[in-house]
Amino acid sequence: QSALTQPPSASGSPGQSVTISCTGTSSDVGGYNYVSWYQQHPGKAPKLMIYEVSKRPSGVPDRFSGSKSGNTASLTVSGLQAEDEADYYCNSYAGSSTVRVFGGGTKLTVL
Amino acid sequence: EVQLAESGGGLVQPGGSLRLSCAASGFTFSNFAMHWVRQAPGKGPEYVSAISRNGADTYYANSVKGRFTISRDNSKNTLYLQMGSLGAEDMAVYYCARVGSSYSYDYWGQGTLVTVSS
Repeated sequence: QSALTQPPSASGSPGQSVTISCTGTSSDVGGYNYVSWYQQHPGKAPKLMIYEVSKRPSGVPDRFSGSKSGNTASLTVSGLQAEDEADYYCNSYAGSSTVRVFGGGTKLTVL
Repeated sequence: EVQLAESGGGLVQPGGSLRLSCAASGFTFSNFAMHWVRQAPGKGPEYVSAISRNGADTYYANSVKGRFTISRDNSKNTLYLQMGSLGAEDMAVYYCARVGSSYSYDYWGQGTLVTVSS
């Protein structure tokens, strides 16, 4: 399985919105509605932010939203805050109950 | 509160072996499939291995197949990863992760660092 494609970096000013893309294939992102997004601060473990393309776990601010079109999923962070500065990784189910593919990660900078 | 705590990482020589553990608490461990996911420095996470709820079914990434063995002891709420024939490509922080109902990793441990060097 090849890694999903994410832009290496994204940035925005406080209060603005930023969208991060995650491109896969019809065998992963495009084939299933099981895309998840993870936030990772330096030295910390990843944290689930979005699952099933657009659902938020309890406790995740509604400033975080997800969507999908074809083979590309997107994470949008609205009303950027300083604490949103982190690495973000997408992940997709890939046709097996165990196989997962991750994106290479996007470093989000809040200017 | 769900908690996952990895241990067992450290420095190992090339070709050596290491056993990682992941102690789970705050949930019914036997109700969830578990995965090991690793992250090399500066890289994205990488799926390593998976185990079913009762431990009967195990799966491995091609990169570790034949060298790593995943197991679990539901009576001890503990997940294991036995790693062998370690090489530089295996150097990473190893996380145990719980698989939620929607194929996502809903909880992660803090990770344990594996360093392979002579």
